[in-house]
Amino acid sequence: AQSVSQHNHHVILSEAASLELGCNYSYGGTVNLFWYVQYPGQHLQLLLKYFSGDPLVKGIKGFEAEFIKSKFSFNLRKPSVQWSDTAEYFCAVNAAAGGYNKLIFGAGTRLAVHP
Amino acid sequence: KAGVTQTPRYLIKTRGQQVTLSCSPISGHRSVSWYQQTPGQGLQFLFEYFSETQRNKGNFPGRFSGRQFSNSRSEMNVSTLELGDSALYLCASSLDLGVAYEQYFGPGTRLTVT
Repeated sequence: AQSVSQHNHHVILSEAASLELGCNYSYGGTVNLFWYVQYPGQHLQLLLKYFSGDPLVKGIKGFEAEFIKSKFSFNLRKPSVQWSDTAEYFCAVNAAAGGYNKLIFGAGTRLAVHP
Repeated sequence: KAGVTQTPRYLIKTRGQQVTLSCSPISGHRSVSWYQQTPGQGLQFLFEYFSETQRNKGNFPGRFSGRQFSNSRSEMNVSTLELGDSALYLCASSLDLGVAYEQYFGPGTRLTVT
């Protein structure tokens, strides 16, 4: 069965610090990978996604993620965080076969950015 | 374009009762998925509907059911409520079936079972 692990449950940073959130998945086949963000009081929204091609993908608001197939990882990065990045971040996986929309989510990482 | 809407936003029910939650997808979207979000288990997939047919189901007991109407609106039902069913229930819609189509999430229905 597919599973997703997010190693950091809570992260506290100061503005302008760099961010890297870890995500590892377990699934032997081809996967599609996602990062979602949930800002306080708002809906879950898609940050970025990886289907194929360049393993370094860029998303909204300056976020990027790198897919490393050999490590089953899809870590999220941002060079310089802002207070407005305070949110909960979820990594998610979907098995590429089947044509379904089912997403397996990680437990989430709460990020607090202090001014 | 209006986003995904879910009604009601908040609900308090008693153990043993049943509840029906509603989801209206973005206009033109034909696929609707449901997720349960709890502090302990995180976000878990419940089921997915497309063209009024359940296409995929998560690992939840049969007390959890759903349906989709011809206008793509979807409802989920939980019968014989248990305390552990207290959660935020999220609905997501996408244009079509297949992960290539981005899923847009609604605000959720917060269900509290007492």
